[in-house]
Amino acid sequence: EVQLVQSRVEVKKPGESLKISCRTSGYSFIYYWIAWVRQMPGKGLEWMGTISPADSQTTYSPSFQGQVTISVDKSISTAYLQWSSLKASDTAIYYCARFGEASSANDFRHWGQGTRVTVSS
Amino acid sequence: QVVLTQSPSASASLGASVKLTCTLSRGHSDYAIAWHQHQPERVPRFLMKLNGDGSHTKGDGIPDRFSGSSSGAERYLTISSLQSEDEADYYCQTWAVGIHVFGGGTKVTVL
Repeated sequence: EVQLVQSRVEVKKPGESLKISCRTSGYSFIYYWIAWVRQMPGKGLEWMGTISPADSQTTYSPSFQGQVTISVDKSISTAYLQWSSLKASDTAIYYCARFGEASSANDFRHWGQGTRVTVSS
Repeated sequence: QVVLTQSPSASASLGASVKLTCTLSRGHSDYAIAWHQHQPERVPRFLMKLNGDGSHTKGDGIPDRFSGSSSGAERYLTISSLQSEDEADYYCQTWAVGIHVFGGGTKVTVL
């Protein structure tokens, strides 16, 4: 069974750094790209970026380019999303999702349970 | 760049059917999409991948009440025999090399 497990809650202050994780299991990690998706309070889903676990090739939405960094650790089948300096506007739920097929663009077939990030002074 | 357009809301009575529409922008009418269900305080759930010819691949355990169809640039999700647990936001999603896009979502209310 494909599983994507995320840390559930993070509470940070503005200006702090953060790295959230998406630990995967139940399939061959390197073959399927991983995406990160944001949902701000009361808003819809927004694609942030994607990464190929095989070679760490990344693509970012223009809205998030330079604002976040996506990475993977193949040795533990885990993807990451990180910020160097958080803002209050980063308060949201962040989901990781695995592609349905082994290609560089595809549907988001499997979802993590989401990490709720709150940034407040 | 591809854009997906969804109506903000839809409603139907318990036991009835509702048909949601996702419209692909000009020049992208042959794109496949995916439908996702997002119930309140739950994880988004992949419902199906829907191709331009109407063929579709459902996610594991998705009931037969959920079906998809296509016509030109429009992609449809029909929910039959509406149940209370179908009350959720429904998003369409599409993709091309280097880009993924969500529609704005349709909030379905079961009356």
